[in-house]
Amino acid sequence: AQSVAQPEDQVNVAEGNPLTVKCTYSVSGNPYLFWYVQYPNRGLQFLLKYITGDNLVKGSYGFEAEFNKSQTSFHLKKPSALVSDSALYFCAVRDQGSGNTGKLIFGQGTTLQVKP
Amino acid sequence: KAGVTQTPRYLIKTRGQQVTLSCSPISGHRSVSWYQQTPGQGLQFLFEYFSETQRNKGNFPGRFSGRQFSNSRSEMNVSTLELGDSALYLCASSPRGGASSSEQYFGPGTRLTVT
Repeated sequence: AQSVAQPEDQVNVAEGNPLTVKCTYSVSGNPYLFWYVQYPNRGLQFLLKYITGDNLVKGSYGFEAEFNKSQTSFHLKKPSALVSDSALYFCAVRDQGSGNTGKLIFGQGTTLQVKP
Repeated sequence: KAGVTQTPRYLIKTRGQQVTLSCSPISGHRSVSWYQQTPGQGLQFLFEYFSETQRNKGNFPGRFSGRQFSNSRSEMNVSTLELGDSALYLCASSPRGGASSSEQYFGPGTRLTVT
């Protein structure tokens, strides 16, 4: 079965420090991977995706993610955290086990808390 | 372009009632997916529609149904509401849908509370 795991419920980081939000995946074949962010009482906002190509993917708001096939990981990173980055972050993978579908399988989410 | 819009934003219903939620995708997007978000289960896939056809359905009971219209707008219906149906229902649209690499764009959601 295909799955996504976000091993940390919460990540705390000081403003200005680098941040990492972890994600590991389990899929058959080549994965399509995504990161989304959710602010309180809002829907999900797309940050970035990995389909193929360079292992380092750059996205919105200064975020980037590193795809590591051998470790089946897709960690989200940012060199310098802002207080406004505090939100709930979701990693997702396209479900390749249900035919021609755009269905996403989401991790449980990681709350990022950036303190001034 | 305007984003994905969902109506209503908030809804309070009583057990046993039914509810219809509406989603208007980004102009030009032909695929609409629905997800349920709860604190306990996280984000769960409900259905995906493309060109008025249901491509895929998640593991939800038959009380959950949906449809898509010729203008790509979509509705989902939940009949005989249960307390456990209380959730944030999110709609997402994408240009092509299917097993493509295109990302999905989410609306703000409809917060359904069942009492």
